[in-house]
Amino acid sequence: QVQLVQSGAEVKKPGASVRVSCKASGYTFTNYYLHWVRQAPGQGLEWMGIINHGGDRATYAQKFQGRVTMTRDTSTSTVYMELSSLTSEDTAVYYCARGVTYYWYFDLWGRGTLVTVSS
Amino acid sequence: QSALTQPASVSGSPGQSITISCTGSRSDAGSYNLVSWYQQHPGKAPKLLIYEGNKRPSGVSDRFSGSKSGNTASLTISGLQADDESDYYCLSYIGSSTVVFGGGTKLTVL
Repeated sequence: QVQLVQSGAEVKKPGASVRVSCKASGYTFTNYYLHWVRQAPGQGLEWMGIINHGGDRATYAQKFQGRVTMTRDTSTSTVYMELSSLTSEDTAVYYCARGVTYYWYFDLWGRGTLVTVSS
Repeated sequence: QSALTQPASVSGSPGQSITISCTGSRSDAGSYNLVSWYQQHPGKAPKLLIYEGNKRPSGVSDRFSGSKSGNTASLTISGLQADDESDYYCLSYIGSSTVVFGGGTKLTVL
């Protein structure tokens, strides 16, 4: 079954870091980019960044540069997104999404991971 | 990287057609034909409806169609159904391996 399975919900304190994982199955992992998108409560979708096929190159939205790191483990078909220096404004559902190479759309999404930042 | 501009809300009656616009600058949606559209029901992950401006993935109803004119992309839903009531987002490639979403449009089926 073609799917992206994300890790479970997290609760973090302000200033901490969080790492969310996204495990791919049912397709050739190295044929696709992986993106991360977040959605704060009641808000719209916000693109965070992309990691390429081999995991050696990531591009981040300007807003998150310096605070986000995306990595990829091809041996386990898993991508990771780590966000540091968390504040309450980082409370959101974080989605991973499969990106079709060169065409820049997302054809498969994970179910999302809720990250709550609270003291 | 400012968001693409979408109307906050649109509405229509069952059976009618509605159009949601997505307007960008020449540096994003205006320069590329790489606009996609997503439907998101409450509490669910987004679902791809349209890609490359006007192409539908397998399994998406032909009631959904996409178009582009100048700096504005549009999603049209014909024959509105109750289940179409949802949030809709456009997404565009803006160069340098980056993309941007529209602010989202809430569709109400009256």
